[in-house]
Amino acid sequence: GAGVSQSPSNKVTEKGKDVELRCDPISGHTALYWYRQSLGQGLEFLIYFQGNSAPDKSGLPSDRFSAERTGGSVSTLTIQRTQQEDSAVYLCASSFHKLAGDLYNEQFFGPGTRLTVL
Amino acid sequence: AQSVAQPEDQVNVAEGNPLTVKCTYSVSGNPYLFWYVQYPNRGLQFLLKYITGDNLVKGSYGFEAEFNKSQTSFHLKKPSALVSDSALYFCAVRDKSGNQFYFGTGTSLTVIP
Repeated sequence: GAGVSQSPSNKVTEKGKDVELRCDPISGHTALYWYRQSLGQGLEFLIYFQGNSAPDKSGLPSDRFSAERTGGSVSTLTIQRTQQEDSAVYLCASSFHKLAGDLYNEQFFGPGTRLTVL
Repeated sequence: AQSVAQPEDQVNVAEGNPLTVKCTYSVSGNPYLFWYVQYPNRGLQFLLKYITGDNLVKGSYGFEAEFNKSQTSFHLKKPSALVSDSALYFCAVRDKSGNQFYFGTGTSLTVIP
């Protein structure tokens, strides 16, 4: 089966523009995560979706960042009015939680979207 | 606060020698612990995890890790390094109550032929 896919693989934009990053998780995976990876940094948690529950948005760095997950599958991360400090690799991951408490299941990561804000 | 530390940014080891990549953590309660590997221009791949039970866990590609509760460590090990093991390694921890995984900053492993 297909893994997690992300598009585009690279995105170059100008400061102030909006961008949308897409994630297609593994079919049947109930949990979806977005992370940001900056050079020399670890993975910074952004947002977490689990089934039909309200998403955990506690990692979003500002109100310019938002994400949605439609139909429990595809997710879109939107960054409005991009700034140069938004330049990073944005990673999406999914995992399967049969029960809400199955927090020990590993994540499957996509290849990432490299965002460059000029 | 929950955190993960990988004290070494870079580890170099000769091919055939044993390797260790260090990880310590700070979480409340008993954590779930993970190792991931990232090859150049690739997404992170799961290597192994500790949930409960035997402190020594074995994973993909001959890697293993030992959970040490008293030292709050989860070091990654391999008895004999291969050049193909050269990659970026991330330790991650999840507590049993939260939604987040906490990742370390990564350790770049270079295996020298």
